[in-house]
Amino acid sequence: EVQLVESGGGLVQPGGSLRLSCAASGLSFSRLWMYWVRQAPGKGLEWVANIKQDGSEKYYVDSVRGRFAISRDNAKNSLSLQMNSLRAEDTAVYYCASGKLFYYYAMDVWGHGTTVTVSS
Amino acid sequence: DIQMTQSPPSLSASVGDRVTISCRASQSISDFLNWYQHKPGQAPKLLIYAASSLQGGVPSRFSGSGSGTEFTLTISSLQPEDFATYFCQQSYSTPQTFGPGTKVDIK
Repeated sequence: EVQLVESGGGLVQPGGSLRLSCAASGLSFSRLWMYWVRQAPGKGLEWVANIKQDGSEKYYVDSVRGRFAISRDNAKNSLSLQMNSLRAEDTAVYYCASGKLFYYYAMDVWGHGTTVTVSS
Repeated sequence: DIQMTQSPPSLSASVGDRVTISCRASQSISDFLNWYQHKPGQAPKLLIYAASSLQGGVPSRFSGSGSGTEFTLTISSLQPEDFATYFCQQSYSTPQTFGPGTKVDIK
């Protein structure tokens, strides 16, 4: 079965750090661009970051650049998001998603998300 | 950044209705436009990619059209499982941006 399973969410104080993980199974992980997308409470979807198959290219939304770092381990079929200097506005459900093979501009497999709450 | 808008923000419809959702980009994005369906507590689902290509496993009642700045998602005959929020997303340039969503609920 093709699936992505996120973990690592939780409650953290402003200024704190969290590391999210995404375990992939049933898909050709090393051949796929990978994404993090978030949804704040009552808001729409927001693209956060993505990473090329070999990790050589990484892109971030302006609001997280310099605070978040996306990485991957193809040997372990794993994607990560290191989140530092967290702010209240980072509170959201974070989804891991994979780009379509041969058309990586669209995300065709999604996890169910992990919740991050930044609050004192 | 490219801004995406959707209309209407919400709509009420009945099973069997034809539903049309519009998405507009603040600048031309060619056909780099995707549509997703999202239900509360579930993972988003890709419906349409490259503006008009149907994702595998998605029912043929879903269709997409448009290019440049104007795009449309059509559900030809609304089914009970289609009540959800629909988002468009441009993947023409970074940061990739989503529209604010259109919530489709039961009339």
